[in-house]
Amino acid sequence: EIVLTQSPGTLSLSPGERATLSCRASQSVSSSYLAWYQQKPGQAPRLLIYGASSRATGIPDRFSGSGSGTDFTLTISRLEPEDFAVYYCQQYGSFGQGTRLEIK
Amino acid sequence: EVQLVESGGGLVQPGGSLRLSCAASGFTFSSYWMNWVRQAPGKGLEWVAKIKQDGSEKYYVDSAKGRFTISRDNAKNSLYLQMNSLRAEDTAVYYCASTSLYAFDIWGQGTMVTVSS
Repeated sequence: EIVLTQSPGTLSLSPGERATLSCRASQSVSSSYLAWYQQKPGQAPRLLIYGASSRATGIPDRFSGSGSGTDFTLTISRLEPEDFAVYYCQQYGSFGQGTRLEIK
Repeated sequence: EVQLVESGGGLVQPGGSLRLSCAASGFTFSSYWMNWVRQAPGKGLEWVAKIKQDGSEKYYVDSAKGRFTISRDNAKNSLYLQMNSLRAEDTAVYYCASTSLYAFDIWGQGTMVTVSS
């Protein structure tokens, strides 16, 4: 079973700053199977990125995904107030533990 | 509008049973693998089970094997999760989600299951 480890656990930034979230797999995974989700309190998760780097429908282009092998990154180029949330990476039936992005 | 709506959650005693339902609309339900994903209070996401388009293949997380059964009725555009022998650690919000391009692209709003005496 592949284990996904996200870092940092919490990221404190200000609106307008750049956010870089990491997801590391315990063994190499196909980029096709790596996805990122955003979850706000009381809401269901929302798909942001699939196939490691493809944006889902309606996702702003300030969100981008990259990486291969065991190391993947979600980047938010310029934080908007609505971006502060918890982010999860996922590969098949495994989710990372999440990164909480909070306002500094 | 593309939508998934879960129902059937509630309070149940340890050892009890519950059947969750998920009604799909706005897309061709029968064309997609479907999943149940849960989230314990204050915790992260955990995939629980998935079922192939025609129901011929089903997979479960280890903790659900032998206790939970996923099923679907394509004629009714509905997904189900029969949960038996419930434990306190099954307490969570349960989401149904469709799979597209190896990601969970459509999610329901979730239904809360509380296992407590």
